[in-house]
Amino acid sequence: DTGVSQNPRHKITKRGQNVTFRCDPISEHNRLYWYRQTLGQGPEFLTYFQNEAQLEKSRLLSDRFSAERPKGSFSTLEIQRTEQGDSAMYLCASSSWTIEQYFGPGTRLTVT
Amino acid sequence: DAKTTQPNSMESNEEEPVHLPCNHSTISGTDYIHWYRQLPSQGPEYVIHGLTSNVNNRMASLAIAEDRKSSTLILHRATLRDAAVYYCILRDTPREGNTPLVFGKGTRLSVIA
Repeated sequence: DTGVSQNPRHKITKRGQNVTFRCDPISEHNRLYWYRQTLGQGPEFLTYFQNEAQLEKSRLLSDRFSAERPKGSFSTLEIQRTEQGDSAMYLCASSSWTIEQYFGPGTRLTVT
Repeated sequence: DAKTTQPNSMESNEEEPVHLPCNHSTISGTDYIHWYRQLPSQGPEYVIHGLTSNVNNRMASLAIAEDRKSSTLILHRATLRDAAVYYCILRDTPREGNTPLVFGKGTRLSVIA
């Protein structure tokens, strides 16, 4: 399967711990996006990359959040000092210059 | 991005057509209308997009009003697999390229066997 993959699929962590999620986009897609989705809401944009350059960060992305895309391939999203409000589904998507964005299955984070 | 308005939920019988409306009265001349859907426990998936003319693909049809202030996603024969949340999104694609999507709450479609 050559779709977008995300790991882990589920993560349970205690408040205050750091977590890191990985996204592997469709190969040769130059843009990669991170979104967050809470129950009953549509996904909300967090940040996105063109190749290795981070183009935009949402105001939702507090200083506890950091994202990287070294070498323009896979990306990681790290949350430091997690809070209960960080519990959500974290979605990654990738695209080329065409219209569609292709989404991964998401990583569900539960902060206890 | 201009705002869209969709019903919170809709229900359809299996094998019947479904018309999912979207209002976007503040759409600008260069905004494309995109539809994505999200099946349970999955990430969103692209359905269709259009600018002015009606569009058809293997998944659905998109009917766009002449004044472009509303559009309708048409599923010609609903199946149980079409039960999902459907999102109508406007994006000024030509100027901005493939930029982040702005999702609303969408319409939750239930399909009854």
